[in-house]
Amino acid sequence: GENVEQHPSTLSVQEGDSAVIKCTYSDSASNYFPWYKQELGKRPQLIIDIRSNVGEKKDQRIAVTLNKTAKHFSLHITETQPEDSAVYFCAATDANFGNEKLTFGTGTRLTIIP
Amino acid sequence: DTEVTQTPKHLVMGMTNKKSLKCEQHMGHRAMYWYKQKAKKPPELMFVYSYEKLSINESVPSRFSPECPNSSLLNLHLHALQPEDSALYLCASSQERGRNEQFFGPGTRLTVL
Repeated sequence: GENVEQHPSTLSVQEGDSAVIKCTYSDSASNYFPWYKQELGKRPQLIIDIRSNVGEKKDQRIAVTLNKTAKHFSLHITETQPEDSAVYFCAATDANFGNEKLTFGTGTRLTIIP
Repeated sequence: DTEVTQTPKHLVMGMTNKKSLKCEQHMGHRAMYWYKQKAKKPPELMFVYSYEKLSINESVPSRFSPECPNSSLLNLHLHALQPEDSALYLCASSQERGRNEQFFGPGTRLTVL
């Protein structure tokens, strides 16, 4: 089965600086990679996702990059703000055969220092 | 309606109780999921329903019993739980097979005494 590793487990950055979270996956069949943000006591919220037919996707201050050869993908947050403080989870799955099972990384607790 | 809703928000039950968690979505999604999340851990998949049929059971103990009465509703029946079953139970839905954007409900915080 799929195995997803996520680093770092905790990350503190100054407000306005950039943050990068990295994930690696093991199953070369995986082709869908979402990122979820979970604030304390709240539900995981999908913030961005990428499919294996593209290498990069941006949405305002957040971007995700995918390297299929190396089997890793990364979340980039620029111009960080206090409201970016949360736990971020990466995930991977093979979407082609209706495989609905997302395999999550272990999470990164991001703290933005004002 | 673009949300997944769950009831109750909090539930405290004894080990001999029977209770049910409910999940509802009106986005026309045909796949629905139950996850269990312990503190500081990622969501852990329990069950997947696709077109109202159970498609994945992640070897969950029989004290957890899922039910999908129709395409909008998902229940999780609980019986004879253990204290280690205390966790946040999350429901999620996605449009259909092959469309994997999963949207989560707010969860039910379950405490087993």
